[in-house]
Amino acid sequence: EVQVLESGGGLVQPGGSLRLSCAASGFTFSNYAMSWVRQAPWKGLEWVSSISGSSGSTYYADSVKGRFTISRDNSKNTLYLQMNSLRAEDTAVYYCAKSSGYTYAYDYWGQGTLVTVSS
Amino acid sequence: EIVLTQSPGTLSLSPGERATLSCRASQSVRSSYLAWYQQKPGQAPRLLIYGASSRATGIPDRFSGSGSGTDFTLTISRLEPEDVAVYYCQQYGSSPQTFGQGTKVEIK
Repeated sequence: EVQVLESGGGLVQPGGSLRLSCAASGFTFSNYAMSWVRQAPWKGLEWVSSISGSSGSTYYADSVKGRFTISRDNSKNTLYLQMNSLRAEDTAVYYCAKSSGYTYAYDYWGQGTLVTVSS
Repeated sequence: EIVLTQSPGTLSLSPGERATLSCRASQSVRSSYLAWYQQKPGQAPRLLIYGASSRATGIPDRFSGSGSGTDFTLTISRLEPEDVAVYYCQQYGSSPQTFGQGTKVEIK
């Protein structure tokens, strides 16, 4: 059974940092691109960042470029999102999502981890 | 960036009725790389449709997707109470990938 489980969310002050993790199981992790998608309170879905299976390629939304870094450790079946210089508008539930095949349609999602940026 | 506009904002129908949800793109979506997701309150999104018209694993056949270019449709042929949710479209053919703002489906 495919499972993805996020952790690392919490309350952080503006300008602070946080690292999210996503532990994956039930599939060959290194074969699939992975992504982070966020959802601000009572808002829609916003793509944040993606990484290819081999970590050779990374992609970022303009809103987080230069502040967030996506990475993965295929030996640990774990995806990461390092978030620096956090802003109030980064407050959201952050979902880890597995790509299906060779496209970025997401066939498995975690339950999300809440990041709150507030003083 | 491709902007996806979903309509209507809210759809209120009786059980057994047909629901038609629209997703219009500001530019043509490459290779029909268009997906639909269902999100129930307090839950993560669930993939319903990918490639504009292919049902994801385990999705009931009352859900169907159609369209190409800039106009896409998700149809729920016979609405059931458990279909109450917000539905999002997503294009993943061009970078950055983008989501629509969602359509809320309610039961009368």
